[in-house]
Parts: sequence; C-alpha cells; structure tokens
Amino acid sequence: DTAVSQTPKYLVTQMGNDKSIKCEQNLGHDTMYWYKQDSKKFLKIMFSYNNKELIINETVPNRFSPKSPDKAHLNLHINSLELGDSAVYFCASSQTAGRNQETQYFGPGTRLLVL
Amino acid sequence: DAKTTQPTSMDCAEGRAANLPCNHSTISGNEYVYWYRQIHSQGPQYIIHGLKNNETNEMASLIITEDRKSSTLILPHATLRDTAVYYCIVRVARTNRDDKIIFGKGTRLHILP
Repeated sequence: DTAVSQTPKYLVTQMGNDKSIKCEQNLGHDTMYWYKQDSKKFLKIMFSYNNKELIINETVPNRFSPKSPDKAHLNLHINSLELGDSAVYFCASSQTAGRNQETQYFGPGTRLLVL
Repeated sequence: DAKTTQPTSMDCAEGRAANLPCNHSTISGNEYVYWYRQIHSQGPQYIIHGLKNNETNEMASLIITEDRKSSTLILPHATLRDTAVYYCIVRVARTNRDDKIIFGKGTRLHILP
C-alpha cells in the first residue's frame, strides 16, 4: 500500500491553463507539505498544512492555492500556468509539526511540463 | 538556520562501505541531523537521524562528532540500488508550527559494479 500517493504522475499542459495535483496519505499524519523540485534539482518547500490549517507559505505566487479538505488530503491548484512552473512537485506528510524527531514521508512526485 | 556542506559527488565500489561526510559547524544545541536520499525519479526517502549519539538502523549508521560540527553517514555494504543523491539536513523548528526541511545540494553517490 502506498503511504503517500499523488495524481497524476505526469501532467503536460499549455501555458495559461489551470490544473490541479492531488495528494493523499494513509499514514494518519496530521501535517502535509508541498515541495517543488526545479530543473536544477533544488528541492524547496512551498506549503505546509497542519490539521487543515495553513502553517507555512514560502513566498509562493498566489496562482498556487493549496486546499486541504481533510487531514489525509492536500491538493494543489495552479492557475494561469507559466513556463517556469515546469518542475516535479512532491507531496509529503509527517506527524505533529514542529517536533524535531518526526520524519517526513514523500510521495512519488508529479512531473509537470508547461508548453 | 544551520547550513550543511557536503561533497558534490562520491564513488564507492559495490559491497564496500560508503562513508558520506557532512559539515554543520553552526548547528544549534537542540537541532537534529537528518539524512534523506533521493533515488532517480523518486521522492526523497528518510534514512536516519540523530542528536548527539551515534545511531544505527536497518539502512545505515550515523556517526556524529563530539562537538556536533560534522557527521558521517555510513552505508555498510553498498549496492547498486544505493546510487542516489544523499541530503544531510539540520532540522529547523523555531516554534511548534514552523517545521520544515531545507534541502541543500546533497552528495551524488555512485555505486560502481
């Protein structure tokens, strides 16, 4: 069973479109994250949610809007896609934000290509 | 936030121990050292973490120097499947609600057959 799953795995779309990426975790964790890995392979956090509440927002354009309908899901909606949004997006989850001893579990990634 | 320094890449022969160094000279007393790895086309995977004492689990061992300014991740018997980018991370958690992993460039480990 996949602990952290993302859909779709690949997403190819035209500039200006709106798209969503879904993430689900079945680990019972209370915190979920979105990371972006660009073409240079740098992995940077974008958002974190704890119990459906936004905790971290790392200066991400407001075209990106995360939505957490419940603790097990954190979706990422992107409006007006731009070429620079092409990247791999990783979802992650952990239990109890803020405790140093908690590890994060990552999903397989969604490869977004904007043409 | 404490930063880490790692070699850009390393090679290791299959079956040998792979020793990956990391410097974190500005680490604070309550910050842990974490290691993650990312195999090609996959999400990052947790390996091990520690505060002061050496740690061992089924994947690896973590050796932290007494002054905590550096550490070494040891993969005791490296296999081809261990080829990946290895990230040494110091956890930053200023408040209970501000926990995030800051990834550096990591070390690209090549296991050679």
